[in-house]
Amino acid sequence: NAGVTQTPKFQVLKTGQSMTLQCAQDMNHEYMSWYRQDPGMGLRLIHYSVGAGITDQGEVPNGYNVSRSTTEDFPLRLLSAAPSQTSVYFCASSYNGREETQYFGPGTRLLVL
Amino acid sequence: AQTVTQSQPEMSVQEAETVTLSCTYDTSENNYYLFWYKQPPSRQMILVIRQEAYKQQNATENRFSVNFQKAAKSFSLKISDSQLGDTAMYFCAFMKHLGYGNKLVFGAGTILRVKS
Repeated sequence: NAGVTQTPKFQVLKTGQSMTLQCAQDMNHEYMSWYRQDPGMGLRLIHYSVGAGITDQGEVPNGYNVSRSTTEDFPLRLLSAAPSQTSVYFCASSYNGREETQYFGPGTRLLVL
Repeated sequence: AQTVTQSQPEMSVQEAETVTLSCTYDTSENNYYLFWYKQPPSRQMILVIRQEAYKQQNATENRFSVNFQKAAKSFSLKISDSQLGDTAMYFCAFMKHLGYGNKLVFGAGTILRVKS
């Protein structure tokens, strides 16, 4: 198993550009989520999904969209990037999202100029 | 609101010695899960250890163990026989249940440096 994979590893955007951060897992996990990590802070939840077709907002959802058309993939879309979205983004997955441990991808570092 | 506090921004320890990282949390829930994650310079988030609140026995994973004090809402991590590879940022996290899923509430982290 590859586990949780994320692409790209690093991206530079200009303010106002859009992009999609990709996340995939091959563990047949129902639960997937996106976190962002900013300096001096722990990770904060952006959006999560408990299965294909079901998503919900987390703690810091503004400026981000998600969809879950398959069990394996959970892309995160930035519609109009802002400098405040400069961060490291982590995707995580777990079997059922209730008590299971979440496993994290390697992260995507995003710089918005 | 659930919060997680790590009061030690940075710590250092000599190789082969023991170090304890502190974590306190605040919650009104009775059943919950607590985690310690390690983040080395590669930025990968690696699960170190997990504790279920309904279990009185402290979790252990090889050189890593926790001191879980439910009444005091304290969850410290002890690393024995520290190794250079233990150098990393360590995050304490509390699992908060949402409507259908959950989220991890993280502390701000403790940078641990293991010195040779």
